[in-house]
Amino acid sequence: SYELTQPPSVSVSPGQTANITCSGDGLGGKYVCWYQQRPGQSPLLLIYQDNRRPSEIPERFSGSNSGNTATLTISGTLAMDDADYYCQAWNVFGTGTKVTVL
Amino acid sequence: QVQLVQSGAEVKKPGASVRVSCKVSGYSLSELSIQWVRQAPGKGLEWMGGFDPDNREMIDAQKFQGRVTMTEDTTTDTAYMEMSSLRFEDTAVYYCAKALFRGGFDAFDIWGQGTLVTVSS
Repeated sequence: SYELTQPPSVSVSPGQTANITCSGDGLGGKYVCWYQQRPGQSPLLLIYQDNRRPSEIPERFSGSNSGNTATLTISGTLAMDDADYYCQAWNVFGTGTKVTVL
Repeated sequence: QVQLVQSGAEVKKPGASVRVSCKVSGYSLSELSIQWVRQAPGKGLEWMGGFDPDNREMIDAQKFQGRVTMTEDTTTDTAYMEMSSLRFEDTAVYYCAKALFRGGFDAFDIWGQGTLVTVSS
């Protein structure tokens, strides 16, 4: 079965940039989306089709996808970005990354 | 604005069955692709399956085949997920979610609030 691997954790200082990777065989040939999930809440769609943002999502969230790796970038990280992040390609979710804003 | 409202928490014994409902408001269920996702305590997201609205066919993850049934009542705009032969490891929050694109199995832009199913003896 297809697998998507993410780093378990990423730490970032407020105002800095966080990059969260998602790796899978031939991932660049698939569409990737990204979700944010805060404790006790349902996931929130941040990015779809690699780099498109729903209208309500702030511009500091961006995505890219090439080769075997997709990346979610959070620019100018805020304290409220402290959450879990998941990538998804078709019906497969990534392993998840805990982002800690120090 | 589409909203998904799920049924309340359930406690079941091993071997029992559970049915979780997902009421759609603001749109017709027959026009949507509703998928089911679960999350065990402290774990990641796991796609379970859902309906392809174009051919009204249920597609589910191989690991659940035979134990999970997903149905839709378009007269009440309610989707259902029923799981049988429950095991302790089925304890999880179960979500219904709407796919952004009709017929899609990803990019879920609207989620229900989640239903906690606890399997306990």
